[in-house]
Amino acid sequence: SYELTQPPSVSVSPGQTASITCSGDKLGDKFACWYQQKPGQSPVLVIYQDNKRPSGIPERFSGSNSGNTATLTISGTQAMDEADYYCQAWDSSTEEVFGGGTKLTVL
Amino acid sequence: QVQLVQSGAEVKKPGASVKVSCKASGYTFTRYAMHWVRQAPGQRLEWMGWITAGNGNTRYSQKLQDRVTITTDTSASTAYMELNSLRSEDTAIYYCARRIMGAPGLDYWGQGTLVTVSS
Repeated sequence: SYELTQPPSVSVSPGQTASITCSGDKLGDKFACWYQQKPGQSPVLVIYQDNKRPSGIPERFSGSNSGNTATLTISGTQAMDEADYYCQAWDSSTEEVFGGGTKLTVL
Repeated sequence: QVQLVQSGAEVKKPGASVKVSCKASGYTFTRYAMHWVRQAPGQRLEWMGWITAGNGNTRYSQKLQDRVTITTDTSASTAYMELNSLRSEDTAIYYCARRIMGAPGLDYWGQGTLVTVSS
């Protein structure tokens, strides 16, 4: 079965840039999405189709996907961005698997 | 505005079944696919399956395909997820989520339904 790997945790200082990676075999041939989940809340889509932002998502969130790695970048990270982030791969031939999640800490 | 409102928490015994509902409003129900995702306590999100509300086509995860059934009642704009032969490992929050039209991504999520499996 297809697997996506994320680092368990990433730390960033306020105002700095946070990068969260998601690795999978030929992930660049699929579409990647990213979700933000805060404690006790439902996930929120922050990036879809590799690099598109849904309406209402701040411009500081961006995404890329190439080769075996998709990356979520948060520029000018704010305290409110502290959350768990999950990547998801989309492909017509595989299941819509999620990564293991990354806890972003803003210290 | 788009809303997905799920049914309330359930407590079930091992071997029983559970059926969770997800009532949609604020959009044309039959034009979108609905996915189901679960999350065990402290664990990752796990994709379970989806249904195309317009024609009832379904696809399930290989892990759960023998135990899960996703259906819709288009007259009530409601999707359902039924899981059979429950085990303690099925204790989780179950979410319904709408797929973006024409693009990969789940843009609206229900509030989640806690299903607890315990003897």
